[in-house]
Amino acid sequence: AAGVIQSPRHLIKEKRETATLKCYPIPRHDTVYWYQQGPGQDPQFLISFYEKMQSDKGSIPDRFSAQQFSDYHSELNMSSLELGDSALYFCASSSYPPTRDTQYFGPGTRLTVL
Amino acid sequence: AQSVTQPDIHITVSEGASLELRCNYSYGATPYLFWYVQSPGQGLQLLLKYFSGDTLVQGIKGFEAEFKRSQSSFNLRKPSVHWSDAAEYFCAVGRDSGGGADGLTFGKGTHLIIQP
Repeated sequence: AAGVIQSPRHLIKEKRETATLKCYPIPRHDTVYWYQQGPGQDPQFLISFYEKMQSDKGSIPDRFSAQQFSDYHSELNMSSLELGDSALYFCASSSYPPTRDTQYFGPGTRLTVL
Repeated sequence: AQSVTQPDIHITVSEGASLELRCNYSYGATPYLFWYVQSPGQGLQLLLKYFSGDTLVQGIKGFEAEFKRSQSSFNLRKPSVHWSDAAEYFCAVGRDSGGGADGLTFGKGTHLIIQP
């Protein structure tokens, strides 16, 4: 079965640079979620989109922005990167209705900020 | 705001022994609850979920969990563990943002070690 695809899988950036992470949901899933997992930490919810509109917002820094496109893929844009942004970034997707539906997670993008 | 507590940071179990991982939640309404498993450097795999109905839910890999509203708990169990069960286990509760696509709030995780 098709799964959530994230690219790139690994990314190395310098401080103050920008990064863009991409997420391709499972086919026919129209809802996307982003999570950040620091080393040894639990995943923290950042933001979600349903039908290309922002739906729920968690602890996403102002330096980060995200959007969902017409084909339902999503991109997380991160600017002015800090050392503390080094983490595993997960994307998850679910199908309509989104409420109380299961979120399926991608393999993650490991971001390292030097 | 909702929260999840996993009281055990590490648990060590002998292979073939039974397992119970604890999870307590704080939530105003009827929660929807999940258990995910994560191997090192890997993504999160759903083991099972509770939305409503039967309070004993069966999952993959022989896992089950019981929802107890009176105790605000959703403990994960397995009658006989295998060495391949060694991983990090996360309990999660759905947020209730009102917007529909609710994010999940995770517990801190329990690291399961299997002794031969």
